[in-house]
Amino acid sequence: EAQVTQNPRYLITVTGKKLTVTCSQNMNHEYMSWYRQDPGLGLRQIYYSMNVEVTDKGDVPEGYKVSRKEKRNFPLILESPSPNQTSLYFCASSLKGNQPQHFGDGTRLSIL
Amino acid sequence: SQQGEEDPQALSIQEGENATMNCSYKTSINNLQWYRQNSGRGLVHLILIRSNEREKHSGRLRVTLDTSKKSSSLLITASRAADTASYFCATVPLETGGFKTIFGAGTRLFVKA
Repeated sequence: EAQVTQNPRYLITVTGKKLTVTCSQNMNHEYMSWYRQDPGLGLRQIYYSMNVEVTDKGDVPEGYKVSRKEKRNFPLILESPSPNQTSLYFCASSLKGNQPQHFGDGTRLSIL
Repeated sequence: SQQGEEDPQALSIQEGENATMNCSYKTSINNLQWYRQNSGRGLVHLILIRSNEREKHSGRLRVTLDTSKKSSSLLITASRAADTASYFCATVPLETGGFKTIFGAGTRLFVKA
């Protein structure tokens, strides 16, 4: 089954404790992206990757890092999480950058 | 910066009625996509309309695109309670080379049975 898998689904942590949210897709997609969703603001793009070893900033990249060492994986790293990064995060992938995206089920992060 | 902006923010209709949602954007685009999100879940792609297309249909969905006005509309005909969800438009601005996707804040649709 074609899918985008994010882990963990829920996480409560404290300020400053590094965390990684993993994302994996099994569709051999070139393009992958991370979004955060906050009430009233829709989805905002954090980072995207056009292919292996090629990444670029979205609209809200501050406080986040990404890497794309393999085609299927695109982890989101919060080196020093802060409360303003409490949000619902989605990973998505598509064949190419301007094609329909498949979304994961989301990761709800709470940073205290 | 947010490009796609949906209107209205929320819409409540009776089952069987049509629902129309609008999206406006600011810069030239490669294409415009509509997505649906059930409460707290991942988004699901509904339909994509290219910049050189004016109208597209898929089942009970009809999407129009007016590039001169930089706007799009999504029409859901004969709505059902199961259509209750949030609907988002997403644009791919030409200036980003087709890699950046900008979502609007969404329209929350509630269909009463």
